[in-house]
Amino acid sequence: KQEVTQIPAALSVPEGENLVLNCSFTDSAIYNLQWFRQDPGKGLTSLLLIQSSQREQTSGRLNASLDKSSGRSTLYIAASQPGDSATYLCAVAAGNQFYFGTGTSLTVIP
Amino acid sequence: GAVVSQHPSRVICKSGTSVKIECRSLDFQATTMFWYRQFPKQSLMLMATSNEGSKATYEQGVEKDKFLINHASLTLSTLTVTSAHPEDSSFYICSAREVGDNSPLHFGNGTRLTVT
Repeated sequence: KQEVTQIPAALSVPEGENLVLNCSFTDSAIYNLQWFRQDPGKGLTSLLLIQSSQREQTSGRLNASLDKSSGRSTLYIAASQPGDSATYLCAVAAGNQFYFGTGTSLTVIP
Repeated sequence: GAVVSQHPSRVICKSGTSVKIECRSLDFQATTMFWYRQFPKQSLMLMATSNEGSKATYEQGVEKDKFLINHASLTLSTLTVTSAHPEDSSFYICSAREVGDNSPLHFGNGTRLTVT
């Protein structure tokens, strides 16, 4: 069964820093990997989707990479802002199922 | 982009009553929708996978008669919490997937259920 792990569980950085969130998965047979953001008491907002054939995707200050063979993905956030504070989750799609990591809680200190 | 609308966002009900939560894909057809439950500071717990026109597939430990799921059209799935009890109080989130194995997942904004 697919297992998805996110490290670190929590991260606190000063505003302006660049940071990297990690996601690892145990089975490389995936369709795609998605990064989400969740604000307290809200649903999940999709940030980036990387198909299994792709290596990375970029959107604004966000860059996500995928190394399927090693079962890893990273989400790079450049020039972090207080508004980036949220929980970030990764999810891999395999078959008709999605497997979620436990999330990284990010706090950007002004 | 694709939007999933979940309603209501908050509901308070008395113990013993039933509550229905709707999940709609507004601008795409979703053959599969997923229902999750989320406890404070924890990740999502998949409750069931809802397939249009067929019975939902429930995860182990989730009571089918307690959490009724109906996916009657390609744009609407409903979750009914029957005879709610205080322990059912939680945050419920739905998601919908566009047609195709490579398609992304889109989430509703969640429903905060409080049973008094």
